[in-house]
Amino acid sequence: KQEVTQIPAALSVPEGENLVLNCSFTDSAIYNLQWFRQDPGKGLTSLLLIQSSQREQTSGRLNASLDKSSGRSTLYIAASQPGDSATYLCAVSGTASKLTFGTGTRLQVML
Amino acid sequence: NAGVMQNPRHLVRRRGQEARLRCSPVKGHSHVYWYRQLPEEGLKFMVYLQKENIIDESGMPKERFSAEFPKEGPSILRIQQVVRGDSAAYFCASSPQKGARDTEAFFGQGTRLTVV
Repeated sequence: KQEVTQIPAALSVPEGENLVLNCSFTDSAIYNLQWFRQDPGKGLTSLLLIQSSQREQTSGRLNASLDKSSGRSTLYIAASQPGDSATYLCAVSGTASKLTFGTGTRLQVML
Repeated sequence: NAGVMQNPRHLVRRRGQEARLRCSPVKGHSHVYWYRQLPEEGLKFMVYLQKENIIDESGMPKERFSAEFPKEGPSILRIQQVVRGDSAAYFCASSPQKGARDTEAFFGQGTRLTVV
């Protein structure tokens, strides 16, 4: 059974800092890994999708890496802004086509 | 992601009533997934449907819950005789022909069910 863990559970940083969010998964037989953002009381916004054959994806200030063999992914956020404050979720897709989610990292970027 | 439409956004039901949650996928997407997010917990898979077929319902509670995705119209998640423990946010996601295995999943805004 796939299990996804995200560390840290919560993170508070001053504006402008670069930061790294971590995601680990127990079963390396994944098809893809997706990072999402969730604002309080809102839905999920897809940030980045990494196929299992890829090592990283970039979008603006975001960079996600994937090490499938070790079961790890990181989301790097450069020059953080208060608008980045949200919960970040990592999810992996396996043979069953469904997504298994981590419990998220709650990020607060302070002015 | 704005293309997945869920309604209602908020739903209040008394214990014992039925709840019907609707999801219209992104136009052209034929794969629909339902997930549940209990308070202070992560999202958990419930069911995976294609048009007129349930592909995987391994995350669905055995009783009171059912889902459908008819040939025409939205996907429906139905909860009969709701209890307080059903209070949660229910999210629908859709993906195109190949399914979430190969492509990005797009999520709706969710339906927040409160059972009083």
